[in-house]
Amino acid sequence: ETGVTQSPTHLIKTRGQQVTLRCSSQSGHNTVSWYQQALGQGPQFIFQYYREEENGRGNFPPRFSGLQFPNYSSELNVNALELDDSALYLCASSSGTSGRNEQFFGPGTRLTVL
Amino acid sequence: KQEVTQIPAALSVPEGENLVLNCSFTDSAIYNLQWFRQDPGKGLTSLLLIQSSQREQTSGRLNASLDKSSGRSTLYIAASQPGDSATYLCAVPLKTSYDKVIFGPGTSLSVIP
Repeated sequence: ETGVTQSPTHLIKTRGQQVTLRCSSQSGHNTVSWYQQALGQGPQFIFQYYREEENGRGNFPPRFSGLQFPNYSSELNVNALELDDSALYLCASSSGTSGRNEQFFGPGTRLTVL
Repeated sequence: KQEVTQIPAALSVPEGENLVLNCSFTDSAIYNLQWFRQDPGKGLTSLLLIQSSQREQTSGRLNASLDKSSGRSTLYIAASQPGDSATYLCAVPLKTSYDKVIFGPGTSLSVIP
């Protein structure tokens, strides 16, 4: 059984640029949730994808968008990057929506915006 | 609005001590509560998940309890080891139209040899 993987591991961008982060869910899982974790804080929920549809969103602006593919892998896209977007981005997969089922996290992508 | 807090924010103990980490939440309408471990700059490792109908869960030296009515959970670590040094986070999903998960800020644990 393959765990949750994320790519890339690290990324450096400049303000105004766009970035795409990728996540492969654990085998058998149909739900992917994305989180942003600033230094010294707990993860903040960005959104969740269930069977290729967005199924809930946290307090993040529309420039944060996502996709889920038929194999349940997912992308997080951030447009018009701002300095405050610098964070560790985590994805988690679960079998069913994230609230009811145990989530398994990937290693994260560290994004630095200069 | 669900708010999750963790006390203490940081803890430093000598090796071998038993210790308790606390998690509090304001909305008791939850499906479950999950404890995670996070090493610096890394992802989250699931430690224990307690369903709302359960009172506690155990895994090795870890024991987590849940008191839904008082909005509290504790994570008990027995005979702490330097390898236990990490940040411990609790997470509580909301019973909303979608299942948003709220994390606490974490407790940073340092076990000194």
